[in-house]
Amino acid sequence: GAVVSQHPSRVICKSGTSVKIECRSLDFQATTMFWYRQFPKQSLMLMATSNEGSKATYEQGVEKDKFLINHASLTLSTLTVTSAHPEDSSFYICSAPLTGGGEKLFFGSGTQLSVL
Amino acid sequence: GESVGLHLPTLSVQEGDNSIINCAYSNSASDYFIWYKQESGKGPQFIIDIRSNMDKRQGQRVTVLLNKTVKHLSLQIAATQPGDSAVYFCAEIGSARQLTFGSGTQLTVLP
Repeated sequence: GAVVSQHPSRVICKSGTSVKIECRSLDFQATTMFWYRQFPKQSLMLMATSNEGSKATYEQGVEKDKFLINHASLTLSTLTVTSAHPEDSSFYICSAPLTGGGEKLFFGSGTQLSVL
Repeated sequence: GESVGLHLPTLSVQEGDNSIINCAYSNSASDYFIWYKQESGKGPQFIIDIRSNMDKRQGQRVTVLLNKTVKHLSLQIAATQPGDSAVYFCAEIGSARQLTFGSGTQLTVLP
């Protein structure tokens, strides 16, 4: 079946550094991918919609200059957390809809970011 | 969807009993809903979905009920097993195919 691969699964970094998270659709093409953030014991909140070949669409309150999204191919979207701070520590999850597969979304396994 | 809560509602059931997890949604225009299961440290896993033209849908050991009048969704798990312990989210899908998640419920299966 369709699989979304997300890497890395866990990252620990120092405050002020940048971290890149990759999301790949392994056996299907994804013109759109979604990035979510989840704080402990809370729900998933949509951060942005990544569109292949065009600019990402950010949700209200999400800083586009801090959370850089690149969707350069039909199978890869990246989220870069720039100048990370401890408050950016969270679980980041990507998802992709299967084109022609209705509204069913497939999720990556998530990335736990810890900023020291 | 419902607002994000500051704490996760919890539900504890005995192994073998049935579980019922509830969810309220706010957008009366939503026409497609999904239940997801999320285990600790992992991404959400699709369980079952339902469209607004239905009020019930059954899968293997799971049933989703939709009451559009009161904007309520429920997930029933039959013969709950230890492997069912997880956080369960309902989600409604928007026009751009983005998901809006409910606050989630932590299900704990007791031996």
